[in-house]
Amino acid sequence: NAGVTQTPKFQVLKTGQSMTLQCAQDMNHEYMSWYRQDPGMGLRLIHYSVGAGITDQGEVPNGYNVSRSTTEDFPLRLLSAAPSQTSVYFCASSQGRVGSYNSPLHFGNGTRLTVT
Amino acid sequence: QQQVKQSPQSLIVQKGGISIINCAYENTAFDYFPWYQQFPGKGPALLIAIRPDVSEKKEGRFTISFNKSAKQFSLHIMDSQPGDSATYFCAASDYKLSFGAGTTVTVRA
Repeated sequence: NAGVTQTPKFQVLKTGQSMTLQCAQDMNHEYMSWYRQDPGMGLRLIHYSVGAGITDQGEVPNGYNVSRSTTEDFPLRLLSAAPSQTSVYFCASSQGRVGSYNSPLHFGNGTRLTVT
Repeated sequence: QQQVKQSPQSLIVQKGGISIINCAYENTAFDYFPWYQQFPGKGPALLIAIRPDVSEKKEGRFTISFNKSAKQFSLHIMDSQPGDSATYFCAASDYKLSFGAGTTVTVRA
């Protein structure tokens, strides 16, 4: 099993450009989410989805869009990149209710994004 | 603001020593408290987790201590090894996981 796969691993954008970070999981998990990791800030939730066709905002959603057309894929779109979006982005999935005792969150290996 | 406060930001321990990381929370609706371990260039991975009806959980050299009345929990790494050098995140969940800021642990041989 590949688990959670994120592409690309690295990306450099200029301010104002748009791009899509890809995330795919092969574990048939219902829950998927995007986090950003910044020094001293831990992992902050951007958007999440509890199933195909259902998405909701996390704590830092501004500047990002998501959609969930299939169970497997959960892309994250940056509409107009800003230097404040320089970060490491992680996609994660879990089988049931996120963070429940029997349903741990599985993370991908991240995308390191730099916006100049 | 962060719902889970984690300290220290970093620590250095000698091989064989004990590493202790502390976390505190305010939201009494949290009902699941995992710890995640992250190596450089990798995503976090679940290390150990506890429910609030248990005061301690041990898995190998890793122990979570949980104090419900104080709303605090901690991770103890016994007999620390160089391979334990990583960043550790505490987290808490009601229906979403909230993470602490992370602690970078360096184990010196």
